[in-house]
Amino acid sequence: ILNVEQSPQSLHVQEGDSTNFTCSFPSSNFYALHWYRWETAKSPKALFVMTLNGDEKKKGRISATLNTKEGYSYLYIKGSQPEDSATYLCAFKGGNKLVFGAGTILRVKS
Amino acid sequence: DGGITQSPKYLFRKEGQNVTLSCEQNLNHDAMYWYRQDPGQGLRLIYYSQIVNDFQKGDIAEGYSVSREKKESFPLTVTSAQKNPTAFYLCASNRGGGAYGYTFGSGTRLTVV
Repeated sequence: ILNVEQSPQSLHVQEGDSTNFTCSFPSSNFYALHWYRWETAKSPKALFVMTLNGDEKKKGRISATLNTKEGYSYLYIKGSQPEDSATYLCAFKGGNKLVFGAGTILRVKS
Repeated sequence: DGGITQSPKYLFRKEGQNVTLSCEQNLNHDAMYWYRQDPGQGLRLIYYSQIVNDFQKGDIAEGYSVSREKKESFPLTVTSAQKNPTAFYLCASNRGGGAYGYTFGSGTRLTVV
């Protein structure tokens, strides 16, 4: 079974802080890397799908980068807001299956 | 609006019983997936289907069964052979392949009593 690691496990920041999380995945047989945001009592929502080494994606204050050669992706949130509080999941696709990390729990205090 | 509907939201099962979790999508997606979440762990793949009348085992398929008779529907049966069925179950769909994001349902929480 493929191993996808996310760090940190949880993070508490103040409103206005910028933050970032890491997703590590196997550097071989790469096909795609997904990021999802999962708010409490809601379903996970796709943020980004990245397929090329060096990809950078941005949606508002959230951005992500991808390094397939070394097997990591970073998710950045600029100027965190309380509504950014959620669990952020990354998932690696190397074959037929999408394998998820355990997630990073972000809590933003106002 | 298109989406995925999972039912029921909460389900209680007695030991030894089979139960079926419903998953319906109106997104016209080819592929559908079932994941299980346990505390502190990532979502783990139970079964997936890339096309009607075909499905594949995921990483933790033992004690589960599925069917895909219609494009819109992918029900999951948790059988009495599943030794630890208490968990949160998520259904997802996408157009197929890994380059498309998944759309998830809101989940079913199954508890064995």
